Amino acid sequence: DAGVIQSPRHEVTEMGQEVTLRCKPISGHDYLFWYRQTMMRGLELLIYFNNNVPIDDSGMPEDRFSAKMPNASFSTLKIQPSEPRDSAVYFCASSLGGGTAAFFGQGTRLTVV
Amino acid sequence: GEDVEQSLFLSVREGDSSVINCTYTDSSSTYLYWYKQEPGAGLQLLTYIFSNMDMKQDQRLTVLLNKKDKHLSLRIADTQTGDSAIYFCAERDTGRRALTFGSGTRLQVQP
Repeated sequence: DAGVIQSPRHEVTEMGQEVTLRCKPISGHDYLFWYRQTMMRGLELLIYFNNNVPIDDSGMPEDRFSAKMPNASFSTLKIQPSEPRDSAVYFCASSLGGGTAAFFGQGTRLTVV
Repeated sequence: GEDVEQSLFLSVREGDSSVINCTYTDSSSTYLYWYKQEPGAGLQLLTYIFSNMDMKQDQRLTVLLNKKDKHLSLRIADTQTGDSAIYFCAERDTGRRALTFGSGTRLQVQP
């Protein structure tokens, strides 16, 4: 398996624009997680899905953030409108079952100018 | 809520052993993990330990768990320059399926 695949790897956008980050989890995994990494706050869980259903979105910073998982092999994280403070590395991870390790993608480095 | 803490920085000489420490607060943690992050890369799973174990060894890596003190450590034997990275401790409890991460320990290996 190719592992968790995220796209794009880098995104530079202007404040106010819509940004969509994409993730393909490992085939067969039933949990998908979105994390954000910044120097100030470290790794923060934004939202996670189980069998395509959002389970916990309490980490989503505000209404500008939304996430979807239309099927078992694809998820998106959307920021609309984007702000400079959204600049961070966004990671997607997946796991098989609720008690096993999560495997991470390479991340998307987002810069909002 | 869950809280995981790590020291920020560790410097060792090549060939020495490195010990990275972690403390956690959630007594219902079922699995504890160590991840490695190299610059510009994602998090790579190194090893994990189930909460009913107190030690796990995997080649150069040894994980020790003191459940009473809620203390986890990662020992890297014969540390190499390629081990230079940030190491994250993470825990997962029975109720919440997502991992909670520490702030990471930056390991610097001096040649």
